[in-house]
Amino acid sequence: NAGVTQTPKFQVLKTGQSMTLQCAQDMNHNSMYWYRQDPGMGLRLIYYSASEGTTDKGEVPNGYNVSRLNKREFSLRLESAAPSQTSVYFCASSEAPGGYTFGSGTRLTVV
Amino acid sequence: QKEVEQNSGPLSVPEGAIASLNCTYSDRGSQSFFWYRQYSGKSPELIMFIYSNGDKEDGRFTAQLNKASQYVSLLIRDSQPSDSATYLCAVYRGSARQLTFGSGTQLTVLP
Repeated sequence: NAGVTQTPKFQVLKTGQSMTLQCAQDMNHNSMYWYRQDPGMGLRLIYYSASEGTTDKGEVPNGYNVSRLNKREFSLRLESAAPSQTSVYFCASSEAPGGYTFGSGTRLTVV
Repeated sequence: QKEVEQNSGPLSVPEGAIASLNCTYSDRGSQSFFWYRQYSGKSPELIMFIYSNGDKEDGRFTAQLNKASQYVSLLIRDSQPSDSATYLCAVYRGSARQLTFGSGTQLTVLP
């Protein structure tokens, strides 16, 4: 099915380790987003890419980096994982403002 | 003040009743408004959007917008147990080119 694919679905990291979350969409959308979701705090924007070749910080960018590799792919990197980064991470894409399609999420635990 | 606030919940209604979910937002420049549904352990999915003051109906769902009061609501008529989920209100601001989400209201429809 067409949509947004995220990998991995689950990950456990030790404090200080690094990892990259992958996201790919096949809907030819220009805009892509990375959110994290924590209990009681809703979805908070980490980074977004309005179009291929551009990236911008969201509400909670510290500790993360992103790469818009091409129109399809938008990756999120944790350079040195911290327990505070334990969360569920969602990638999303959109063509029309606000009409997001979300991936299935990555459940990350940092110990 | 949070940018997007939702009634705290959790909310329980009996099957067949009307469920009313409320949301307020702080930025008067907000342009469009979205309701996402998120089942436990799943990713959010878009169910309604509204741009203009008034009501917008789609099947059993009605979105209501009052820009003067900075208030958005979602009514679910003839609630079903399958409607049990967390409902996320989201507000789009063109100046920021991003959605801001509320923390969600958990709805349980009791058989």
